[in-house]
Amino acid sequence: AQKITQTQPGMFVQEKEAVTLDCTYDTSDQSYGLFWYKQPSSGEMIFLIYQGSYDEQNATEGRYSLNFQKARKSANLVISASQLGDSAMYFCAMREAFSGGYNKLIFGAGTRLAVHP
Amino acid sequence: KAGVTQTPRYLIKTRGQQVTLSCSPISGHRSVSWYQQTPGQGLQFLFEYFSETQRNKGNFPGRFSGRQFSNSRSEMNVSTLELGDSALYLCASSLFRTAQETQYFGPGTRLLVL
Repeated sequence: AQKITQTQPGMFVQEKEAVTLDCTYDTSDQSYGLFWYKQPSSGEMIFLIYQGSYDEQNATEGRYSLNFQKARKSANLVISASQLGDSAMYFCAMREAFSGGYNKLIFGAGTRLAVHP
Repeated sequence: KAGVTQTPRYLIKTRGQQVTLSCSPISGHRSVSWYQQTPGQGLQFLFEYFSETQRNKGNFPGRFSGRQFSNSRSEMNVSTLELGDSALYLCASSLFRTAQETQYFGPGTRLLVL
């Protein structure tokens, strides 16, 4: 069954340091997409980065990069040079092309990141 | 380009009442999905609409329903509200329906059932 696991309920990081948020997934599909979203206390889900199952290179978007290890079924988010505004909940999500339904995202439980000055 | 908008942002209802939430997708987006977020269950998929047709449905009782209009705007309705329906309801839109398509979320509607 499709599943996303985020094992870190909370993380602390010093401002300007890098932090890695873990995400593992389980799927039987060959075609799927992996997403990371940020949710500040306001509630809105902000798209950060996407990785396709057939992408050979790790995705990067500014300070965000995705460490994609397909054989291990992991898709960790790396935030470089953390900023105070990065404090939020972070969700890893997956969408399968076929068995999961096209626009049905499966979310992990989330990791709450706190950036300290 | 305007993002996904949801109305109302906050809502207080009592048990037994019904509620309708509205979502306007990003211009040009044809797919709208709804999610429920609660502290206990996390983020759960409710349903997805594409071209006015429900394409996918999550594991929710029949009290939860929705529809999509010809302009892609979507509404979801919850009848006979229960205390457990208190949640943040998020709407997301995307252009088409592929695994690679990014879903963009609105700010959500916070529903409190008393």
